[in-house]
Amino acid sequence: KNQVEQSPQSLIILEGKNCTLQCNYTVSPFSNLRWYKQDTGRGPVSLTIMTFSENTKSNGRYTATLDADTKQSSLHITASQLSDSASYICVAGGNSGGGADGLTFGKGTHLIIQP
Amino acid sequence: EAQVTQNPRYLITVTGKKLTVTCSQNMNHEYMSWYRQDPGLGLRQIYYSMNVEVTDKGDVPEGYKVSRKEKRNFPLILESPSPNQTSLYFCASSLLGQGAKNIQYFGAGTRLSVL
Repeated sequence: KNQVEQSPQSLIILEGKNCTLQCNYTVSPFSNLRWYKQDTGRGPVSLTIMTFSENTKSNGRYTATLDADTKQSSLHITASQLSDSASYICVAGGNSGGGADGLTFGKGTHLIIQP
Repeated sequence: EAQVTQNPRYLITVTGKKLTVTCSQNMNHEYMSWYRQDPGLGLRQIYYSMNVEVTDKGDVPEGYKVSRKEKRNFPLILESPSPNQTSLYFCASSLLGQGAKNIQYFGAGTRLSVL
């Protein structure tokens, strides 16, 4: 069964500090790894998408890494800001072979930035 | 502005009273889908559509119907809502369903309570 596990479940850090969120996935066949940011009461917004052949992808202060051999990904946030407070969702995409989007969603890491 | 629009944003109804949640996108995307998000669970796909008049079941389709008569619209229909359908619903669209680089765009969500 395809699964995506994220850790930690929640995290509190001070404004200006860096943090790293972890994602382990078991999706086969594996195609791509996505990170989304979801603000409270809003829909998820795409941060990064990496194919299985990519190791890293940046979007401003967000940097995602991917190790397809160990089936692990991380999202590093640099110099955190209050607006980074949100849930961060890791999503593993597989080639489902059918019409479904083949995406398996993690439960998310709830990040709180304190002033 | 590229967007996915859901209506209503909030809905309280009673068991058995038919309802429709509308979804519209202005990006000419072929692929649209519906998800539900429940506490402690990741997003789960309800139904998807690869193009006009083409729809199929996702992971949790029971109790839901959809239609795709026009490319831009993908309404979610609950013929006889039950309390276990109380959830946060998201509509999403992307250029194609299975492309590794295809960004999914999500609506703002519809919070449904069935009493």
